Amino acid sequence: DAGVIQSPRHEVTEMGQEVTLRCKPISGHDYLFWYRQTMMRGLELLIYFNNNVPIDDSGMPEDRFSAKMPNASFSTLKIQPSEPRDSAVYFCASSQRTTYYEQYFGPGTRLTVT
Amino acid sequence: GNSVTQMEGPVTLSEEAFLTINCTYTATGYPSLFWYVQYPGEGLQLLLKATKADDKGSNKGFEATYRKETTSFHLEKGSVQVSDSAVYFCALSDHHRDDKIIFGKGTRLHILP
Repeated sequence: DAGVIQSPRHEVTEMGQEVTLRCKPISGHDYLFWYRQTMMRGLELLIYFNNNVPIDDSGMPEDRFSAKMPNASFSTLKIQPSEPRDSAVYFCASSQRTTYYEQYFGPGTRLTVT
Repeated sequence: GNSVTQMEGPVTLSEEAFLTINCTYTATGYPSLFWYVQYPGEGLQLLLKATKADDKGSNKGFEATYRKETTSFHLEKGSVQVSDSAVYFCALSDHHRDDKIIFGKGTRLHILP
């Protein structure tokens, strides 16, 4: 299995631009999670899906952030417009209901907004 | 609400030293407890878990015991290696409540050869 796949691995963009991060979870996994990691705030859960349905988006910082999961094998996290404070590493993770405690993380997308 | 508190790093040790990283938790229910590890440039991965009081999780020489009386889940290893250098996250999940994992802030570990 290829594991969780994220793209791009690195993204550098200017303030005000739209950014789209992509994730392909492990096949057969029921849950998908989006996290953000910074030195100051640590690892933050932004949103998670169960069977493609958003369950909890209380961690999404503000209306500039949106996430979708149109099918079981693809999810996007969009930031529009981007700001310098959005600079972070964004992780996608997936898990199965039967082993909910083991989340498989992707390699992350390092976003830099200038 | 549920939360996890772990010792701040960085922790720097010499190879073959004994390691302890402290972790305490606050939970209203009966959570499961975990340690995750993040190697440089990678995502987190599950290191070990314990699902009920007095359970001991172990993997790769690391151990942690679920202590309900002290609400603790300290990570230990008898003899660390340079390859253990990473960031370690204590975490909990109350599966009866929701499907989230709540992570601590992480403890960076440096092992010197």
